[in-house]
Amino acid sequence: QQKVQQSPESLIVPEGGMASLNCTSSDRNVDYFWWYRQHSGKSPKMLMSIFSNGEKEEGRFTVHLNKASLHTSLHIRDSQPSDSALYLCAASTQGGRALIFGTGTTVSVSP
Amino acid sequence: GGIITQTPKFLIGQEGQKLTLKCQQNFNHDTMYWYRQDSGKGLRLIYYSITENDLQKGDLSEGYDASREKKSSFSLTVTSAQKNEMAVFLCASSIGVGGNYAEQFFGPGTRLTVL
Repeated sequence: QQKVQQSPESLIVPEGGMASLNCTSSDRNVDYFWWYRQHSGKSPKMLMSIFSNGEKEEGRFTVHLNKASLHTSLHIRDSQPSDSALYLCAASTQGGRALIFGTGTTVSVSP
Repeated sequence: GGIITQTPKFLIGQEGQKLTLKCQQNFNHDTMYWYRQDSGKGLRLIYYSITENDLQKGDLSEGYDASREKKSSFSLTVTSAQKNEMAVFLCASSIGVGGNYAEQFFGPGTRLTVL
């Protein structure tokens, strides 16, 4: 059964620092990776997606993808207290199945 | 844009009771989902429906039933509520299940408490 593994489980980052989150899939049929952010008491919202090898940057957020190893990472630079949240990685596959979500990384940015 | 509404926002039931959660979306999306999220944890898929007349079990379907009444609505029934399933239930929708169509949009959630 396909799994999406995320690490670390939790992360404390000083304000202004860099947060790095990892995600790996075990399914060779994965074609898209998604990163969602969920603030406490709110619903998850899509942050970024990536399907090509390489990196994609949007503001302070950068996503990397290595399709050969099915590994993606999310980097948050100049972390702000508002970045404190649960970050969920998800993978979609060819073949008509639902997204598979990882268990998440909780990021806490300390002022 | 669109919106997903979930009712009720808070649901309190007795152990063993049958309880129904409802979800409506106006994105005109084909695919809808139900997830359970235990406190501070990730999302576990209960049921999803790829199109209006489809129903697929997720990893956590035991103890739940689902019904896709029409394209815009998807209901979840807890067949016999248990104290260990107190959680937030999230409904989501997407255009489809493959490629960039798989982006999911989430409702605000229903918080279930079992007494």
